[in-house]
This record gives sequence, C-alpha cells and structure tokens, in this order.
Amino acid sequence: DVKVTQSSRYLVKRTGEKVFLECVQDMDHENMFWYRQDPGLGLRLIYFSYDVKMKEKGDIPEGYSVSREKKERFSLILESASTNQTSMYLCASRGDRGTVSNQPQHFGDGTRLSIL
Amino acid sequence: AQTVTQSQPEMSVQEAETVTLSCTYDTSESNYYLFWYKQPPSRQMILVIRQEAYKQQNATENRFSVNFQKAAKSFSLKISDSQLGDTAMYFCAFMKQYSGGGADGLTFGKGTHLIIQP
Repeated sequence: DVKVTQSSRYLVKRTGEKVFLECVQDMDHENMFWYRQDPGLGLRLIYFSYDVKMKEKGDIPEGYSVSREKKERFSLILESASTNQTSMYLCASRGDRGTVSNQPQHFGDGTRLSIL
Repeated sequence: AQTVTQSQPEMSVQEAETVTLSCTYDTSESNYYLFWYKQPPSRQMILVIRQEAYKQQNATENRFSVNFQKAAKSFSLKISDSQLGDTAMYFCAFMKQYSGGGADGLTFGKGTHLIIQP
C-alpha cells in the first residue's frame, strides 16, 4: 500500500512565523501535491511537483512556496504565516505508469494548522 | 480551467437504503478522469471509484457505482445497501489526462456530507 506521511497532525504557529509542512511518500512516485481544505470550499490545489526540483503553481499559490530536493519529500512553506492560512493541509502523491497519467492520487492524513 | 459542482451540501438516509450523490463538471478537455473520494471523520481521503472518460461503461466497485453521462458532463455516485461506515464527506474530482510527462492536480467539488442513520 502507498504510504504518504505528513510530519504533523496538528500545528499551532504565530503570525509572521515561517512554517514548514513536510510530506514523505514511500512509493517512488513522480508527482506530489499540496492542497488546502476549508469548510464549504472543498480542496484547492496550492502547488505540485512532477519531478525533483520541479514545481508548478496550482490554483492558490499566493503566500506559499514549496521545495522538492528529493523524490520522496515535498515541503510546503509559509514564508510569513497569516491568520487566513489557518486551514487543513493535505499532501498527495501519484505515480505514472508508462507515459499516461491515469493513476489516482494517494493522500496523507492532513495537517490541521492554526495561525494565531 | 475546469470546474466541478456538487449541488448537495448534505444528505441523510437510513441504513440499507440506496443513495445517489450528484456531480457535474465543466471542461473543454476531451480526455480526462473522474474520481469519487471519501473522507470519514478520521480525515483520511480514500479513493472510492474512478472513471476514464473514454470508457462508456460505468465503473463499479462492490456497492459503489457511477452514472457517467459524458455529453451531459454528469458523474453521479450511487451507494447501494448503505452502511453506517459510509458516513463521510464525499468529493467528486476531475483530472486532465497527460501523456509523455507533465502532470496536473485534481479539481475538486465542494463536497457532500453524507449521513447514514441507524
């Protein structure tokens, strides 16, 4: 089974802090994703990466950056945390078989982040 | 850009009943995939079922089946013989098909909170 591990289940930080959310997958997947989940809004894509050191903006990248130095690890960075970034953050990974991307995404358990 | 609409914020049915969750989407893509994910209170996102747009046959997984109407851009989920453990948030999601590299994330609907009553 695919295992996607997020380093923290709950996290409390202060406004203005630099925050790191870590995600590790154990299936050698090429693609990794960060979403945030808010009540009534569903999940929205922040950033994704399809290879080491590659990153692409999703639908709501403002205020965030990412890092992918190793294939198995994808970090989400809040450069200067603000209260409107209080949310649930979900990491996902997906492998590609052959040349067609038809595999589902596998999700971590989520990090509930509170910015005070 | 794609959009996914789930028009039922919450539904409640009795155990053993059949329930259908609706999902519509809008896209200009010809090749894509559709998914239903389940998120119970434990927060783990679990894949329920997926459908390739090029397949006319509706996907089924045990008690879960879909009604995929490509022309109408509709992708509803039917749960038969519902069980208490089916209580969860259900999300419909869309993904473009990529060939030869590249990737894209999922576009999700806002979710339907399904409650199975004993």
